[in-house]
Amino acid sequence: AQTVTQSQPEMSVQEAETVTLSCTYDTSESDYYLFWYKQPPSRQMILVIRQEAYKQQNATENRFSVNFQKAAKSFSLKISDSQLGDAAMYFCAYRSSNFGNEKLTFGTGTRLTIIP
Amino acid sequence: NAGVMQNPRHLVRRRGQEARLRCSPMKGHSHVYWYRQLPEEGLKFMVYLQKENIIDESGMPKERFSAEFPKEGPSILRIQQVVRGDSAAYFCASRGATPQETQYFGPGTRLLVL
Repeated sequence: AQTVTQSQPEMSVQEAETVTLSCTYDTSESDYYLFWYKQPPSRQMILVIRQEAYKQQNATENRFSVNFQKAAKSFSLKISDSQLGDAAMYFCAYRSSNFGNEKLTFGTGTRLTIIP
Repeated sequence: NAGVMQNPRHLVRRRGQEARLRCSPMKGHSHVYWYRQLPEEGLKFMVYLQKENIIDESGMPKERFSAEFPKEGPSILRIQQVVRGDSAAYFCASRGATPQETQYFGPGTRLLVL
């Protein structure tokens, strides 16, 4: 079974600075998808970024980028120019590419605080 | 294009009652996933349904929980004889036709069992 580990329960960053959230995973599969979801106080789950394992290029979405290290099974999220609206819980998630086994496996989350 | 809809947003039940949670997927989506989030925890997969079929129910508790996604209407997650430990946020997600597509989440239903 796949597992996802987020070893930082809480992180804080000064507004406008850069912060990196860590995520590692364990799988025996070679093809899969990785995601970062944001959960603000409203508790809505919002997709931040997605990475396909077969792609070597790291995904980016505006101020959000990932460092995907497939051999190390590491998938960190970098938030540049942090803004107050980035304050939230961030969840890393894994999904198999096998048809029918499409459930997302989530880590326990990192609570990000933005310091004005 | 409306997103994933869930209702009710908040539900209070007494122990022993039944809870019915509804999920309407995004327009054009026929694949639905249910997840549960206990307080201070991450989301845990419960069940994956396609129209009229249960594809994967490996995360569903063996008793009291059931799910359906009929040909017409929303997907329903049903919890019979609720207990305090069922108090949680229940999220529904949907995706489009191809397995590679991203799952998009609804706002969740917060169930409180008194």
